[in-house]
Amino acid sequence: DAKTTQPTSMDCAEGRAANLPCNHSTISGNEYVYWYRQIHSQGPQYIIHGLKNNETNEMASLIITEDRKSSTLILPHATLRDTAVYYCIVRVRSGSARQLTFGSGTQLTVLP
Amino acid sequence: GAVVSQHPSWVICKSGTSVKIECRSLDFQATTMFWYRQFPKQSLMLMATSNEGSKATYEQGVEKDKFLINHASLTLSTLTVTSAHPEDSSFYICSARAPTSGDYNEQFFGPGTRLTVL
Repeated sequence: DAKTTQPTSMDCAEGRAANLPCNHSTISGNEYVYWYRQIHSQGPQYIIHGLKNNETNEMASLIITEDRKSSTLILPHATLRDTAVYYCIVRVRSGSARQLTFGSGTQLTVLP
Repeated sequence: GAVVSQHPSWVICKSGTSVKIECRSLDFQATTMFWYRQFPKQSLMLMATSNEGSKATYEQGVEKDKFLINHASLTLSTLTVTSAHPEDSSFYICSARAPTSGDYNEQFFGPGTRLTVL
C-alpha cells in the first residue's frame, strides 16, 4: 500500500469548513484513497473513499488531484463533534481480505 | 452501514488472569475479522487477521499463544489475552469485513474494548 503523509494537527473554527490534506505521491493506478476518523476512545468510523473522481456524501467531500498524488477531505461545516483524528489510507480495493494500515493521522480540533 | 459490537467495552483485571473480548457483526456475516491494538496517543496497529473456520494470521511480533483468536462463526470472533500483564493494557479494536463489498466501505469497526491490567 502507498504511504501517506498528513499534518499532525489542525484547528478549525466551528461552522467553518475543515480542509484536511493528504499526500500520497506513490499511489498506484489501482489504489483507492480512504478516509476514516476516530473520535477519542471510539473505534474508527468510515467517512468516504475515492479513486480519481471527486466524491461527496452526507459527511464530507473528497477532492483528489488530477495526478492523484494528493487529496483533501472537506468537512463543509465543522462542528465540535467533528473533533477527532482523521486517517488517510491508500490501498487496493480488491476482493482480498486485506487489512487497513493506519498512519499517524491528523488531529482535528474544532474550536467554539 | 453495518454494525459491529464488542464486549465488554472496558475491563479491569489482575495481572496473570485471562480476559476474553468478543467481536460480533450484528447484521451481516463476516468471513474476515481484524484485531487491532492501540496504545495511548498512538495509531492502530494490526495484531491479527481472523478468518472464519481457520487459524488466525498474526502480525510479526504478536505472540499467538498469548493472544488467542477464535472465529468459530460468521458473526463472532473472540480475542483472549492470556496471562495478562500491565503492558497488555491497551485499547483493543476489531473490524469485520463483509464477504461481498458494495460500492462503499469494506470494513466496519467495533467501538473498542479498554483493557486495564493491574
